[in-house]
Amino acid sequence: RKEVEQDPGPFNVPEGATVAFNCTYSNSASQSFFWYRQDCRKEPKLLMSVYSSGNEDGRFTAQLNRASQYISLLIRDSKLSDSATYLCVVNMGTGGFKTIFGAGTRLFVKA
Amino acid sequence: GAVVSQHPSRVICKSGTSVKIECRSLDFQATTMFWYRQFPKKSLMLMATSNEGSKATYEQGVEKDKFLINHASLTLSTLTVTSAHPEDSSFYICSARGTSGLSKGEQFFGPGTRLTVL
Repeated sequence: RKEVEQDPGPFNVPEGATVAFNCTYSNSASQSFFWYRQDCRKEPKLLMSVYSSGNEDGRFTAQLNRASQYISLLIRDSKLSDSATYLCVVNMGTGGFKTIFGAGTRLFVKA
Repeated sequence: GAVVSQHPSRVICKSGTSVKIECRSLDFQATTMFWYRQFPKKSLMLMATSNEGSKATYEQGVEKDKFLINHASLTLSTLTVTSAHPEDSSFYICSARGTSGLSKGEQFFGPGTRLTVL
């Protein structure tokens, strides 16, 4: 089993749609969680951190379920500019903070 | 947010040559930097973790004698691809991790270096 698993997609959605991505992680000692966005041929950029209580940033909502070991990202009112690959990132361990990236979920938003 | 630069952004070289890639944290000190490689349409793969003043920790399957990492200061880490071959052609990305405050645990990525070995 991979340490961090994501559905690779692609997700093809029309503008204005709501889309949700899930990510599961295997190590219960994981400490911090993030969603990154990566555009084609560019470096990943932080989209948002994921907190235990859930957090929202505009059209984006992230949630963490420690009991089930998964995190989610919800995008409301999708825009064309949301088209990208979304990477689930998990930091695990103490001190050294080993970081594991999911393989990413590709999203295409169409007019 | 914190800024990480990478140089060069693109390099094309002949097989057998060595290529050095620099990664700099511009406005913060990075005790730990990471080097990743990404092949087309594939996920980021961690190659090594670089700690200032000590030897890098390489991931399984990454040859330390081929990918030389030096982290001589708190703002600079270098990756040297020695005797590059066409199969080393890839997108190499460095990152530096925030160590305090709200950015703790977050990784700030450089813009990447696209290496093409002919």
